[in-house]
Amino acid sequence: GQNIDQPTEMTATEGAIVQINCTYQTSGFNGLFWYQQHAGEAPTFLSYNVLDGLEEKGRFSSFLSRSKGYSYLLLKELQMKDSASYLCAVREGRDDKIIFGKGTRLHILP
Amino acid sequence: DTEVTQTPKHLVMGMTNKKSLKCEQHMGHRAMYWYKQKAKKPPELMFVYSYEKLSINESVPSRFSPECPNSSLLNLHLHALQPEDSALYLCASSQGGHLNTEAFFGQGTRLTVV
Repeated sequence: GQNIDQPTEMTATEGAIVQINCTYQTSGFNGLFWYQQHAGEAPTFLSYNVLDGLEEKGRFSSFLSRSKGYSYLLLKELQMKDSASYLCAVREGRDDKIIFGKGTRLHILP
Repeated sequence: DTEVTQTPKHLVMGMTNKKSLKCEQHMGHRAMYWYKQKAKKPPELMFVYSYEKLSINESVPSRFSPECPNSSLLNLHLHALQPEDSALYLCASSQGGHLNTEAFFGQGTRLTVV
């Protein structure tokens, strides 16, 4: 089985930096994803980590520590359009199974 | 092309109807997924097809019946649904196998059961 935890809600200010944490417990870890989802829309892929370390992609970075079962998504230079839910998801085992955490709703204030 | 196409975008059906949701991708992906998402909840895995074979069924009721006619298409047949089955149904695909990377999602079908 698996257990994926992330904060339910966070608030940050336009132009600032925010870090969204995700911890997981799973049997047979095989990669971690971050997705962004605006209300009423499909999830959009942001990042994928399978090895330890930091992956940077523009304003978004994602970090993984497999030994700690821990990841974070770092968003820099926040914009109002970054107001969305951010979903941490884990691929488990060899069956292409991808399970989502409950998501973090990020509110950006002007 | 990183597109997963789902049809229809919206569907309203009665509890005695039979309908099908369709999903198509032309990225050569060999893993395809069905997820169900209720409002303000994360996507919940229903089925996974790997190389056109059903590899995971997350104890989904039999009123939902998946089908993978070929490597590009994935269907979800619906029969005798309940109002609580109303949700956004999302299809996704990924490369599959040992080269597996991210999953790409379609825009979903918003299903209302009346």
